[in-house]
Amino acid sequence: GQNIDQPTEMTATEGAIVQINCTYQTSGFNGLFWYQQHAGEAPTFLSYNVLDGLEEKGRFSSFLSRSKGYSYLLLKELQMKDSASYLCAVMDSNYQLIWGAGTKLIIKP
Amino acid sequence: ETGVTQTPRHLVMGMTNKKSLKCEQHLGHNAMYWYKQSAKKPLELMFVYNFKEQTENNSVPSRFSPECPNSSHLFLHLHTLQPEDSALYLCASRGQAGGETGELFFGEGSRLTVL
Repeated sequence: GQNIDQPTEMTATEGAIVQINCTYQTSGFNGLFWYQQHAGEAPTFLSYNVLDGLEEKGRFSSFLSRSKGYSYLLLKELQMKDSASYLCAVMDSNYQLIWGAGTKLIIKP
Repeated sequence: ETGVTQTPRHLVMGMTNKKSLKCEQHLGHNAMYWYKQSAKKPLELMFVYNFKEQTENNSVPSRFSPECPNSSHLFLHLHTLQPEDSALYLCASRGQAGGETGELFFGEGSRLTVL
């Protein structure tokens, strides 16, 4: 079966750096997405990786290793507003999105 | 503001009621989706419409009935639901070319409670 694993919850301190991991086992691979979802709000697109390596976008970066079935989302200079759930999703060979259960990130002052 | 609007934001209904969820997208997209989001579980794809035609029905019980009158509007009709159907129902849209990455644009969801 297809599976996406990510930690259920993480805690970090304001101003610090946090890395949220995502491992996947899917039927084929056509890209990996990260979304951010604040409580009571819509998930919003953060990043897309289809080739190995690091994609940087401001304070957020996303890394992909296809051979390892592994990705991470790196958040730098954490702010209180970064408290949210982070969803990892992989597009399989049928262009269907397979979703992880999300990682709830708690930022403490 | 994601360009996808869902109403109502909150809905409480009894098991014998009939209600509908509405989704409208202002992005000119051709594909629309219904997802179910339950606490600590992955998003569950329910239905997909492309150019108003249903292309995916992910083994959803018949008590959920989708309707897509045009590419901008999507409905989810609910009847004789069960308490386990209580969840956040998310609507999403996607462009034909998907922009650069084919990402989904989500509405803020309709929080459904079935008593």
